[in-house]
Amino acid sequence: GQQLNQSPQSMFIQEGEDVSMNCTSSSIFNTWLWYKQEPGEGPVLLIALYKAGELTSNGRLTAQFGITRKDSFLNISASIPSDVGIYFCAGQERESGGSNYKLTFGKGTLLTVNP
Amino acid sequence: NAGVMQNPRHLVRRRGQEARLRCSPMKGHSHVYWYRQLPEEGLKFMVYLQKENIIDESGMPKERFSAEFPKEGPSILRIQQVVRGDSAAYFCASSQSGLEETQYFGPGTRLLVL
Repeated sequence: GQQLNQSPQSMFIQEGEDVSMNCTSSSIFNTWLWYKQEPGEGPVLLIALYKAGELTSNGRLTAQFGITRKDSFLNISASIPSDVGIYFCAGQERESGGSNYKLTFGKGTLLTVNP
Repeated sequence: NAGVMQNPRHLVRRRGQEARLRCSPMKGHSHVYWYRQLPEEGLKFMVYLQKENIIDESGMPKERFSAEFPKEGPSILRIQQVVRGDSAAYFCASSQSGLEETQYFGPGTRLLVL
């Protein structure tokens, strides 16, 4: 099956620093998504990317859909303590003639922000 | 507008017992997806259902696991004769039929098999 390589596995930064994480895939996805998961909770969608080359922002978060459709990155600017959590990338396939489904997740990036 | 609801949030079972996990999708959503998350791993797709239909169960183990999404009531993920390796967090997601296909996740059920 498809696999996503997400890096780094973990990051420990100071409050106010910028953060960057990325995902690469051996195969093409039609949609890239970035989720955040906090302890004991389900993933919460942060940003969705639908077109190759697309650059999308959501507050302090910026994500890009790679031109080759095999990679994506997420940047967080001016980090704050509540940014702590696990960030997952996910690629979404499109069934021929049908709906998107079957998200393939990376293993996550654990972000720790030191106040 | 309630989000995806899952219950129970935590479930403890002994080896050989059955586990039933429930998922109520967001209002207006008719597509349900189940994912499993092992410790320090990403989520892995298990099964995709629409009302009364299993669309894709390619990620679900062929034995002991089953899923349903009846016309009325929540979607159920059922694990028979649980083993320790079934211990994981099980997440349900739902999406709206039609153009809006973003999957929204529930809080998960943490299953512990003793």
